[in-house]
Amino acid sequence: QSALTQPPSVSGAPGQTVTISCTGSSSNIGAGYDVHWYQQGPGTAPKLLIYGNNKRPSGVPDRISGSRSGTSASLAITGLQADDEADYYCQSYDDSLNYIFGTGTKVSVL
Amino acid sequence: EVQLVESGGGLVTPGGSLRLSCVASRFTFSLYSMNWVRQAPGKGLEWVSGITSSGEHIYFSDAMKGRITISRDDAKNSLYLQMNDLRADDTAVYYCARTDCTTSSCYLDYWGQGTLVTVSS
Repeated sequence: QSALTQPPSVSGAPGQTVTISCTGSSSNIGAGYDVHWYQQGPGTAPKLLIYGNNKRPSGVPDRISGSRSGTSASLAITGLQADDEADYYCQSYDDSLNYIFGTGTKVSVL
Repeated sequence: EVQLVESGGGLVTPGGSLRLSCVASRFTFSLYSMNWVRQAPGKGLEWVSGITSSGEHIYFSDAMKGRITISRDDAKNSLYLQMNDLRADDTAVYYCARTDCTTSSCYLDYWGQGTLVTVSS
């Protein structure tokens, strides 16, 4: 059950766009399983940010978007704001029908 | 809004056991599959175990297989995780999380606040 690969950190100035990649393999994302994304602020529980590759739960702003292609996925945050500073995790399934998470990415707002 | 409240964490010596509980409210607990996810200090998220709505199917991660039991009591709106033979690397915050699914995979739409398990002598 190897983790999905994410960059350890990304950063941007307020108002800019940052993109987080999530790379898997043919046994998880590449097998056609949807990708989901979570945001985790300091000392708090994860919160669902994107489900089904590109769908936003109620309350998540449309400047947050997701996509999936082949064996990878990405999360984009446009109009970066101070409260976007958090850790972000992608998640999919593997062929054992187990949840598999990404390694996590820390987003910093400069 | 959906609420999940974990309890049962604490300090335990290596080789010891602990039972975590998660009480759910504000949704029909019996209709949902549920999961435990853990996060070691300063580390990422790791799925531990899941149980379907009927309790018929149970899934475990390789890391804890053989040492844990997951169960649920729908009458009490509660999810449990019995952990045995605990090791130092089991030290983590353990989260209870509810499952929802797309047509091709499932995700965790609501999470509890977590309960800290510390394994140390």
